[in-house]
Amino acid sequence: KAGVTQTPRYLIKTRGQQVTLSCSPISGHRSVSWYQQTPGQGLQFLFEYFSETQRNKGNFPGRFSGRQFSNSRSEMNVSTLELGDSALYLCASSLVDNYEQYFGPGTRLTVT
Amino acid sequence: KNEVEQSPQNLTAQEGEFITINCSYSVGISALHWLQQHPGGGIVSLFMLSSGKKKHGRLIATINIQEKHSSLHITASHPRDSAVYICAVGGGADGLTFGKGTHLIIQP
Repeated sequence: KAGVTQTPRYLIKTRGQQVTLSCSPISGHRSVSWYQQTPGQGLQFLFEYFSETQRNKGNFPGRFSGRQFSNSRSEMNVSTLELGDSALYLCASSLVDNYEQYFGPGTRLTVT
Repeated sequence: KNEVEQSPQNLTAQEGEFITINCSYSVGISALHWLQQHPGGGIVSLFMLSSGKKKHGRLIATINIQEKHSSLHITASHPRDSAVYICAVGGGADGLTFGKGTHLIIQP
């Protein structure tokens, strides 16, 4: 069974631009969570989607948004990029309400 | 909001040593996770625990629900065990809350 895939793997953007990251969960997994990892703050929960609905969101500004499609694939979007948005963005998928999560390889975003 | 504390933050040991990493959390949980992250960023889930003890190869994870404490043990450590080990709690719709991680280096 294929694992969680994320595209792109690396991205360089300029302050003020916007970016869209994509995550394809393991087949059959309908819950997708997104996380941000920075050296200063460590790993932090961004949001979780199930059945195209955002069920929860972490403590991030409205510039961070996401969505989930009917095939469970998910995207996250960051608008008006700031230098502090430079991070590794990870998504994880799970069977619904099964707490075990399977992580993708991450997208490393650099904002210059 | 759950607070997750890990210790030690950094650990260097010799090959073959028995390794223990500790994790404590502040609020009752449905599940606790031990994760491994290698340089390059990929995260692998090692264990998910809600009670008792689990073993996989040379890795053992235990949890004490009453004391809100979990430990990850590595027996007969090997240089390939060098990685960051992360304790996390929760999951499901609430996502995971993470500890800051333990940087483990096993020297040959």
